[in-house]
Amino acid sequence: RKEVEQDPGPFNVPEGATVAFNCTYSNSASQSFFWYRQDCRKEPKLLMSVYSSGNEDGRFTAQLNRASQYISLLIRDSKLSDSATYLCVDADYNQGGKLIFGQGTELSVKP
Amino acid sequence: EPEVTQTPSHQVTQMGQEVILRCVPISNHLYFYWYRQILGQKVEFLVSFYNNEISEKSEIFDDQFSVERPDGSNFTLKIRSTKLEDSAMYFCASSESGPMNTEAFFGQGTRLTVV
Repeated sequence: RKEVEQDPGPFNVPEGATVAFNCTYSNSASQSFFWYRQDCRKEPKLLMSVYSSGNEDGRFTAQLNRASQYISLLIRDSKLSDSATYLCVDADYNQGGKLIFGQGTELSVKP
Repeated sequence: EPEVTQTPSHQVTQMGQEVILRCVPISNHLYFYWYRQILGQKVEFLVSFYNNEISEKSEIFDDQFSVERPDGSNFTLKIRSTKLEDSAMYFCASSESGPMNTEAFFGQGTRLTVV
């Protein structure tokens, strides 16, 4: 069974802090990964894709370590609006292309 | 910006009743999905649909569930004989060419409450 595991948190950080989340995935054949953001009782929204070489989008940096099968998300200079649950996602390499979600890591940014 | 729309936003039904959850995917998208999220738990895949047929379904998606694309725009999830444990948020999603290559867009969800 293909799984994605995350520390559920919560991570409570002050505004301006740098915070990092990790997740691990079980399927060594997986090719595509994403970070989604989910606000309370709302739909998941794509934050960023995760590329093998690592990638950055503004204050957000994603890294992939295939040897250890873990993915990370770094948020720099955190804002109050970053408060949400961050979902680590494995896109199953299959005709259907389903998304396998971790349980999410809750982030709370305080003033 | 194009979006996936779901109706109703909240559905309350009695145990044993049938419900139909409706979704209108983004118009040029070819891949459609249903996911569910029980309160406090992870988002779980139910079914994927492509070219007018199911391409994959999870073990959750048993004979109680069915999907249909009755016309060129709607994508529905039918749950027969609902049970208390079917209470969850149901999300519809669509993508242009499969989520591995393009973003999967989620609707705002239908909160199903079975009483």
